[in-house]
Amino acid sequence: DAKTTQPTSMDCAEGRAANLPCNHSTISGNEYVYWYRQIHSQGPQYIIHGLKNNETNEMASLIITEDRKSSTLILPHATLRDTAVYYCIVRGAWEAAGNKLTFGGGTRVLVKP
Amino acid sequence: DVKVTQSSRYLVKRTGEKVFLECVQDMDHENMFWYRQDPGLGLRLIYFSYDVKMKEKGDIPEGYSVSREKKERFSLILESASTNQTSMYLCASSPPGQFTDTQYFGPGTRLTVL
Repeated sequence: DAKTTQPTSMDCAEGRAANLPCNHSTISGNEYVYWYRQIHSQGPQYIIHGLKNNETNEMASLIITEDRKSSTLILPHATLRDTAVYYCIVRGAWEAAGNKLTFGGGTRVLVKP
Repeated sequence: DVKVTQSSRYLVKRTGEKVFLECVQDMDHENMFWYRQDPGLGLRLIYFSYDVKMKEKGDIPEGYSVSREKKERFSLILESASTNQTSMYLCASSPPGQFTDTQYFGPGTRLTVL
């Protein structure tokens, strides 16, 4: 799986959009970008994933650059409950990846009132 | 919504005890996983299973075994608990998929071995 680079931490104001960047310059053509988050003392939670096109669901939007070397997770209206560590992961097909998730350091997001 | 439940949120055991951690998922997923999470080491895969009675070793299987007698249930067994197995244990499940693989996690069990 390609390596990802994320900022260690960031603060966000409640009610504002939170934009979380991720660099994955060595991503290959069949690798997807996944985002998970982990709220303190809870299990990781899937947020969203994408291959080439931008994606949106009820939790967030994922913007992937045209060259696919970076992406941005957008939480449109951050709430205090969005305070968590956010992990950007790049993974290939089941067979290649061995089906395990490998979390890097992630970005510790603190949403402030 | 997918629901993955784990038998205990917090568990305290003594060295040498046999420990059972249970995980149940309600979405008929084929794949189930056991990870442990430690500060500075991230998430490490212990075992996974892609079908009933099937199991595969992950990165750190030593000191652990697993059981998958039913599709919805995946048990992690510490045959003789040791202090270095004090950790947060996370169970996950996912549907079958060749190119995408979204894993759904339980709340975790924080195990302390004294």
